[in-house]
Amino acid sequence: GQNIDQPTEMTATEGAIVQINCTYQTSGFNGLFWYQQHAGEAPTFLSYNVLDGLEEKGRFSSFLSRSKGYSYLLLKELQMKDSASYLCAVTDSNYQLIWGAGTKLIIKP
Amino acid sequence: DTAVSQTPKYLVTQMGNDKSIKCEQNLGHDTMYWYKQDSKKFLKIMFSYNNKELIINETVPNRFSPKSPDKAHLNLHINSLELGDSAVYFCASSPGLADQETQYFGPGTRLLVL
Repeated sequence: GQNIDQPTEMTATEGAIVQINCTYQTSGFNGLFWYQQHAGEAPTFLSYNVLDGLEEKGRFSSFLSRSKGYSYLLLKELQMKDSASYLCAVTDSNYQLIWGAGTKLIIKP
Repeated sequence: DTAVSQTPKYLVTQMGNDKSIKCEQNLGHDTMYWYKQDSKKFLKIMFSYNNKELIINETVPNRFSPKSPDKAHLNLHINSLELGDSAVYFCASSPGLADQETQYFGPGTRLLVL
C-alpha cells in the first residue's frame, strides 16, 4: 500500500528552529510537496522537491532523500503565525497526489 | 480576484437530502480535484478531472457524482446525504497532471449533516 508518515503534533518556541519529518512508501515517485494549512483554511503550497537535496526559500527549507524515502521541512526564526498544520504529499507513478495526515505545529512564546 | 472559488462556504442539511457544491477556477488550469478532509484533518482525493474527463475515481460511494460543464468548473453533487458525509470538502486545480505542477485550493465547503 501507499503510506505517508509524519508526526501528529510538534511544539516549538518562537524564534527557534523546528524540523518536521516525513517518510513515504509509494508506488513510484514523481515529486514531494509540503503544504501549510491554518485552522479552518485551505492548504497553501510551500515547497516542491523532485531531486535529492535541500531547497531553501526564505525561512523555510525542504530536504529530500529519494533513496531513503524521506523528507523534512525546516522552519527557522519561528513566528507565532507559523502555528499551523504542515502536510507532506507525494506524487506517485500515476501522478496521483498521496497526502500525509499532517503535523500540527504549535508555537509558544 | 479569487483563483479557486467554492460555494457555499457552509452547508447544514438533514440526512437524506441531496445537495451540490460548486467550484470554479479562473487560472486556465486543465485539471481539477475534489478532496474530503475529515475530522482528523486527513485529505482524501475523491475525484480529479483532466480536460473534462474523469481520470481518478477513488473508492467513493456512487452517491457522490462530479459534474464538469467546462474545464473551469467542477461541481460535486451528493445524493441521500449521510451523517458520515460531514466534513470539509476542498476543490483544487492544477495546470496539468505533470509531476511538477502544484495544486491551488479553494477555501473549502464545511458540510454538516444532521
